Amino acid sequence: NAGVTQTPKFRVLKTGQSMTLLCAQDMNHEYMYWYRQDPGMGLRLIHYSVGEGTTAKGEVPDGYNVSRLKKQNFLLGLESAAPSQTSVYFCASRMLDRGIHEQYFGPGTRLTVT
Amino acid sequence: QKEVEQDPGPLSVPEGAIVSLNCTYSNSAFQYFMWYRQYSRKGPELLMYTYSSGNKEDGRFTAQVDKSSKYISLFIRDSQPSDSATYLCAMSEEKTSYDKVIFGPGTSLSVIP
Repeated sequence: NAGVTQTPKFRVLKTGQSMTLLCAQDMNHEYMYWYRQDPGMGLRLIHYSVGEGTTAKGEVPDGYNVSRLKKQNFLLGLESAAPSQTSVYFCASRMLDRGIHEQYFGPGTRLTVT
Repeated sequence: QKEVEQDPGPLSVPEGAIVSLNCTYSNSAFQYFMWYRQYSRKGPELLMYTYSSGNKEDGRFTAQVDKSSKYISLFIRDSQPSDSATYLCAMSEEKTSYDKVIFGPGTSLSVIP
């Protein structure tokens, strides 16, 4: 049982390049989340999904797209990376009937955009 | 004004000290309060969870909520070097809200042997 895994762990992009971050969970959780963490800002929700085939915008969705084609995977895409998207990205998942405190986080992806 | 504020530290204490970590918030509708611990280059992990006002104890950790002052605290007794991490507070209006969890920026703690 690996929990929540994220791929890749690190990435450096040039401005304008695109990439996809992959989150996978093996706990059969319905809810999945993408956060970004910046110094002094706390975790901020980018997009989330309440089930396979559904996605919704969070607090800071601009410049990102997501897809949830399979229940266990949640993809975060950057179509044209900008330096402002330099951050640490965390994925999290939660069971449908559990409280908000029962989110399980992945280990993070460190992204630098130059 | 940020919705949740937290002193970023860093906070450095000797082993065995009592540590007090605090958050203030502005939204009086928050009812669910959480503390997460985040080791360097790792994801956050839940430490404590409380509802409404009052105290909750779990081993060396005590979470305290004062809704009248919009202030929450995490106390660590007999602190250990393994407690060195960043501590994030988080809060929400609803227990099952799928999107409205607000995180503080975190306080960095170092426990010196």
